[in-house]
Amino acid sequence: DGGITQSPKYLFRKEGQNVTLSCEQNLNHDAMYWYRQDPGQGLRLIYYSQIVNDFQKGDIAEGYSVSREKKESFPLTVTSAQKNPTAFYLCASSIGDGYEQYFGPGTRLTVT
Amino acid sequence: GNSVTQMEGPVTLSEEAFLTINCTYTATGYPSLFWYVQYPGEGLQLLLKATKADDKGSNKGFEATYRKETTSFHLEKGSVQVSDSAVYFCALSDGWGSTDKLIFGTGTRLQVFP
Repeated sequence: DGGITQSPKYLFRKEGQNVTLSCEQNLNHDAMYWYRQDPGQGLRLIYYSQIVNDFQKGDIAEGYSVSREKKESFPLTVTSAQKNPTAFYLCASSIGDGYEQYFGPGTRLTVT
Repeated sequence: GNSVTQMEGPVTLSEEAFLTINCTYTATGYPSLFWYVQYPGEGLQLLLKATKADDKGSNKGFEATYRKETTSFHLEKGSVQVSDSAVYFCALSDGWGSTDKLIFGTGTRLQVFP
């Protein structure tokens, strides 16, 4: 079955530690995205990538970093510079401009 | 800039009631419009879409019609079930290569009681 996988589903970290969230897709999509969702709120775009080895900042990129070395993979690193990292993180992919995005199940990150 | 406005929730209904969740948009050009659904603790799932004016998207008993004259894409269902309880997001994509970002509304929580 084609789809997007995110792991782990729940992640706990101590303040001051970097943490990397995994996102893998086997849909052969060119574009991939990372969103952050806070309780009771909508989605905010962190980073997106339209093609391998290229990515752009979204609306709230500060304190985050990404890489896109392979078409299937778009890992997100939450650095210690992110002031409020506790949130639900969603990864998505699409075949390209203007097309619907397909989402993974999300990773809930808790930093204490 | 482009934006999406959804009615605030929660929307609380009894089973078999009629559902409307309002969504209006502001966009230049000719956006595509989408409704996504998020069940508790899960990611978003595409519910339906419409790519041009007067198109009607439909899926699982839900419908929405792309109304350019009123810049709206309201979600409707004739008879809701408890299993429809979720958060519903309206979104638009302006496409045309300017960006492939989706612009999401803030979401509307639907609670259906037996």
